[in-house]
Amino acid sequence: TQLLEQSPQFLSIQEGENLTVYCNSSSVFSSLQWYRQEPGEGPVLLVTVVTGGEVKKLKRLTFQFGDARKDSSLHITAAQPGDTGLYLCAGGSGSARQLTFGSGTQLTVLP
Amino acid sequence: DAGITQSPRYKITETGRQVTLMCHQTWSHSYMFWYRQDLGHGLRLIYYSAAADITDKGEVPDGYVVSRSKTENFPLTLESATRSQTSVYFCASSESDRGNTEAFFGQGTRLTVV
Repeated sequence: TQLLEQSPQFLSIQEGENLTVYCNSSSVFSSLQWYRQEPGEGPVLLVTVVTGGEVKKLKRLTFQFGDARKDSSLHITAAQPGDTGLYLCAGGSGSARQLTFGSGTQLTVLP
Repeated sequence: DAGITQSPRYKITETGRQVTLMCHQTWSHSYMFWYRQDLGHGLRLIYYSAAADITDKGEVPDGYVVSRSKTENFPLTLESATRSQTSVYFCASSESDRGNTEAFFGQGTRLTVV
């Protein structure tokens, strides 16, 4: 069974601060996705990374896939209250039914 | 409206009762999934379907039954609900089975078994 560990589990910061969320595994994944989930809603895809070492930027969010494709990070610059939510990483291994989700990082950005 | 919708949004049922959670998508996606979300476990796959009349078990299928007679609908039935099945259930769909394909999720059904 492939496992994805996310850290930290909870994070509460002030508006304007920077933060990094980590997603680690001992398994190699062919792709890594990051989703954001708001209260009472389903997860929504933010980004997919597929190449070891790949970096993608989405406005103030920077996503990186580890060189060995076993880990990933999400960095948010100058966090805003609108960034509040549950961030989930999901590792892909060939088929969508094999998608492995991490347990999530609950981010709260205080105004 | 286009998208994926789940019903009901909230459900309380008693132990031993049968309950069905509904999922409807308007994209004509071939692939559909049912997940449960519990604290500390993230999302775990219960069942998935590759097309109408094609379903298969995921990671945690015990106690659940699915059917898919039409492409757009994928109901999940708890045959005899147990307290351990108290959870938030998400239905999702995708246009392909590739591991890097985007999954589109419904808003979820919060089920409480008392």
